[in-house]
Amino acid sequence: QQQVKQSPQSLIVQKGGISIINCAYENTAFDYFPWYQQFPGKGPALLIAIRPDVSEKKEGRFTISFNKSAKQFSLHIMDSQPGDSATYFCAASSSNTGNQFYFGTGTSLTVIP
Amino acid sequence: GAVVSQHPSRVICKSGTSVKIECRSLDFQATTMFWYRQFPKQSLMLMATSNEGSKATYEQGVEKDKFLINHASLTLSTLTVTSAHPEDSSFYICSAREEAGPWGTQYFGPGTRLLVL
Repeated sequence: QQQVKQSPQSLIVQKGGISIINCAYENTAFDYFPWYQQFPGKGPALLIAIRPDVSEKKEGRFTISFNKSAKQFSLHIMDSQPGDSATYFCAASSSNTGNQFYFGTGTSLTVIP
Repeated sequence: GAVVSQHPSRVICKSGTSVKIECRSLDFQATTMFWYRQFPKQSLMLMATSNEGSKATYEQGVEKDKFLINHASLTLSTLTVTSAHPEDSSFYICSAREEAGPWGTQYFGPGTRLLVL
């Protein structure tokens, strides 16, 4: 059973546009929601993370929006650049269960010039 | 952010041999490390949770006798693929949980590409 559902599977955005990736979860015990960026042949790199006590977190061009009641969170990449082309994974974990990460299925983002 | 290294970055071995992959947290201590396997264009599949000084916890379907994990220190965990077969060819990634960081943040290594001939 997929604990975290991620969409879309792939996304093509024009340079300068906004990329939006969505994730949904069921387990209300989750209390940490990170996003990772992965380039081909590399390990995932932590991009930004949020806890459910805030509804939004922004770091540079990257913003997480969190909707606790809907059990959804999303990543927004503003002014998308070709260098942002990568696979993005959302994840969720609970401090009550050893912080094991449950990953989404990934979104392949392509930013075209 | 914190740095996690893996060695080797890629390895080619013959079927039946064993391969050891090292995972190190370079600038922080990690009592917990995780080992993942990733197939092309797919998400990360958790294989096992490695705890310093104790036995690893394996996910359902992962053979503990085939994938030996040792977490000998707070900065080093190793994964040994024993009697490797071509179907073990994959991208193996470790992560280390920074205990001092917020909310058990996991930092990932660069991965090890294993090819079994």
